[in-house]
Order: sequence, then structure tokens, then C-alpha cells
Amino acid sequence: DIQMTQSPSSLSASVGDRVTISCRASQGINTYLAWFQQKPGKAPKSLIHFSSILQGGVPSRFSGSGSGTDFTLTISSLQPEDFATYYCQQYNSYPYTFGPGTKVDIK
Amino acid sequence: QVQLVESGGGVVQPGRSLRLSCAASGFTFSSFAMHWVRQAPGKGLEWVAVISHDGTKTYYADSMKGRLTISRDNSNNTLYLQMNSLTTEDAAVYHCAKAPSASGNYQSFDYWGQGTLVTVSS
Repeated sequence: DIQMTQSPSSLSASVGDRVTISCRASQGINTYLAWFQQKPGKAPKSLIHFSSILQGGVPSRFSGSGSGTDFTLTISSLQPEDFATYYCQQYNSYPYTFGPGTKVDIK
Repeated sequence: QVQLVESGGGVVQPGRSLRLSCAASGFTFSSFAMHWVRQAPGKGLEWVAVISHDGTKTYYADSMKGRLTISRDNSNNTLYLQMNSLTTEDAAVYHCAKAPSASGNYQSFDYWGQGTLVTVSS
């Protein structure tokens, strides 16, 4: 199975900050990498697929990059509604696997 | 709009079985693969299973293989997850999720349901 790691596991930031979250796969996954946002008690929301393609309706302050084993999610200017936990997921091969999550909270 | 509504969760004793359902609407259900993903309380997301649009192909997480059956009824726009021999480690919120393609291969999810809570306790 492909193992996914994320860093940091949590971070504190202020509104307006630029935030970067890293995700690494244990083996190459091309660009078969998605990012999800989850708020407490809510279903995850799909943000990005194929490493860098925004899902419909996702604000342009979110961006993704990377291929192979190293990926990044960037929020260019953090907004109050962005405080949440973010997960990466590989879908290069079954079983699909998720990273452990990065919690973004208010500084 | 796309809606996925799970049901069937509840409290079940260890060793017993449970069948979860996911009612889909707002899209042509029979054209898309569907997944189940679970989340134990306070933990991260864990992919569970996928079924192709026509039900002919399925894949399962190793942790639950042999105890799970994913199925679908395209005439009733419903996805199912039959879980057997449940243990306390199976306690989680179970979400269904829609794939943006028929096979699900090399595709993530585009829509998620809110989930149904499964509690395993004697």
C-alpha cells in the first residue's frame, strides 16, 4: 500500500496569512493526488484533484502543486472559513490512502 | 444538485452484521462509480471500498476484506455496504462518496454524503 504523510500535523495562522501544507507519498503517484477540507462534524469537501485542478466552486486562493511523491497545498490568503483540517489522498492505486491530516487553527 | 444521504448506522454488538445504505439523487447514479470512506471518532479518513458504475468491479481495503460487500441498485439509485463480524475497531462515521467517472480508477471523489455513525458495543 502507498503511505501518505503530511506536514505539519497542525499549524496556527492568522487571517490573511499564506499557508502551505506538504504531502508526501511513499512511492510515485504521478499527479493522482487530491486535497480535501473538513470542518468539525461535517463531511469532507473536495478541493483539488489531479494535484492542481480546483474542483468547481473552490475559491482561487487555494492552489495545489506537485507530482511524483511530493505535493503542496497553498492557501494564498487565509480566510475565516478556511480554518479546518486538510487531508491529501492518493488515487494512483487501490487501496486509496489518505494522509493523517493537517489542522489549521486560529493564531 | 447532487445529494448523498447515508442511513443504516446505529449501535451493534461485536460479531454482528450491519447494512448501510446511501441514497443518491441529482445525477445519473448508474453512470458513476461510488465509494465508501470511514472516519473513526477523532481520527482521520480511511478509504473502505469502491464499486464500478455497473457493479461488475469492486475493491476493498485490506483491513476489512472478507467482511465487507459493497453493492448497488441502479434502479433505485442506492449504494449499499454490508459489514459482517463487526469489531470495536469498525466504529466510525461511514460516508459514501461519488467518483467523477464510471470506473473510479485514477479518479478521486467529487461529492460526499454526511455519513452515518456505526457504534460497536456490547
